[in-house]
Amino acid sequence: DQQVKQNSPSLSVQEGRISILNCDYTNSMFDYFLWYKKYPAEGPTFLISISSIKDKNEDGRFTVFLNKSAKHLSLHIVPSQPGDSAVYFCAASGQTGANNLFFGTGTRLTVIP
Amino acid sequence: KAGVTQTPRYLIKTRGQQVTLSCSPISGHRSVSWYQQTPGQGLQFLFEYFSETQRNKGNFPGRFSGRQFSNSRSEMNVSTLELGDSALYLCASRDSFSGNTIYFGEGSWLTVV
Repeated sequence: DQQVKQNSPSLSVQEGRISILNCDYTNSMFDYFLWYKKYPAEGPTFLISISSIKDKNEDGRFTVFLNKSAKHLSLHIVPSQPGDSAVYFCAASGQTGANNLFFGTGTRLTVIP
Repeated sequence: KAGVTQTPRYLIKTRGQQVTLSCSPISGHRSVSWYQQTPGQGLQFLFEYFSETQRNKGNFPGRFSGRQFSNSRSEMNVSTLELGDSALYLCASRDSFSGNTIYFGEGSWLTVV
């Protein structure tokens, strides 16, 4: 049973525009959420995280929004750059500091120059 | 500071054989976890070790096992390999005393033929 879902397997965006990647979760006990970016043949790289006490966290071009009532989070990338083209995974944890993250299946972002 | 190092990067095994994968965490990180990535399944948690003890285990059969040494290095073993075990195996480490983010290695690509 997939507790973290990324329903869009792929997304294409023009360079300079906003990329919005979405993630839904089912377990209300999750209290910490992360986004990772993965290039082919490499391990996932941490991007940004948010704890359930916040509804927004921003780091440069990346902003994560959390809507606890809807059990939904999203990653906004503004402006999108060709180097952002990768697979993005959202992950959730039910225990702050726990290592057993639950991952979505990923969304492949393509930024078109 | 060196990142998480995994060896070997690529390997091919035959059905029925066993395989051992190795992981060296980031210096100072005592918590190590393992994930399996397959197409369509995303990243799935295998197990987590801290101070040589398994702290969490995912939903995988007993053919999948691991251990951690006193220097925090970890190994995972898969016995009686099946074709479906072909995947990218990712190791991640975390500083247990601060931070909620795990850092991944580049992974070991296992192909079972």
